[in-house]
Amino acid sequence: QSVLTQPPSASGTPGQRVTVFCYGNNSYIRTHIINWYQHLPEAAPKLLIHTNNQRPSGVPDRFSGSKSDTSASLAISGLQSEDEADYYCATWDARLNVVVFGGGTKLTVL
Amino acid sequence: QVQLVESGGGVVKPGGSLGLTCAASGFRFNSHAMHWVRQAPGKGLEWVALTLYDGSKEYYADSVKGRFIISRDSSKNTLHLQMNSLRVEDTAVYFCARAPGFYGGAALDHWGQGTLVSVSS
Repeated sequence: QSVLTQPPSASGTPGQRVTVFCYGNNSYIRTHIINWYQHLPEAAPKLLIHTNNQRPSGVPDRFSGSKSDTSASLAISGLQSEDEADYYCATWDARLNVVVFGGGTKLTVL
Repeated sequence: QVQLVESGGGVVKPGGSLGLTCAASGFRFNSHAMHWVRQAPGKGLEWVALTLYDGSKEYYADSVKGRFIISRDSSKNTLHLQMNSLRVEDTAVYFCARAPGFYGGAALDHWGQGTLVSVSS
């Protein structure tokens, strides 16, 4: 059981804005830096968002990250069919010295 | 450009050993911490291990601690994962991944394509 919890699935239609959530207990999200990954089938995972809301170069601005005290979210605007993938949140837990991944959310583009 | 290429995967019996290698190119290898991450069939991503930029410290997931050893060879720009006492539940695609800086964190900015390890009798 990961300390980061994600709904197993999400869906949207082309052009829509969808949000993928990542939850943590108590103040875990507030006190940890959240990163987001996209994992397409048969491909290497790709860093989409780092340090809560920063996009690496080359990542379209359709992808954005934010967080509150209790949850982090990845928003995808102008949804495209190629966005159909698994999305993971992740953080470094400095108390345990481990990387923690959320369980992943499978995004389906209807 | 940054390239990470894993090798060494294969089929091994429970209790056996296997060594994985990740060949790195296109960047200054000894300026980056490096990770191994795995994905079991039908499951999500699971972090396995981290070595700092100079190999001075290693960190492991509880599920592999005491059985796996991460190491790096800066003379050859290679990252290694020695896997001992393998279990069926270690069956997974193993990815190597680069951290953006000297130390850990969870922003892994480049990944290899992965190598499949299958533990089966």
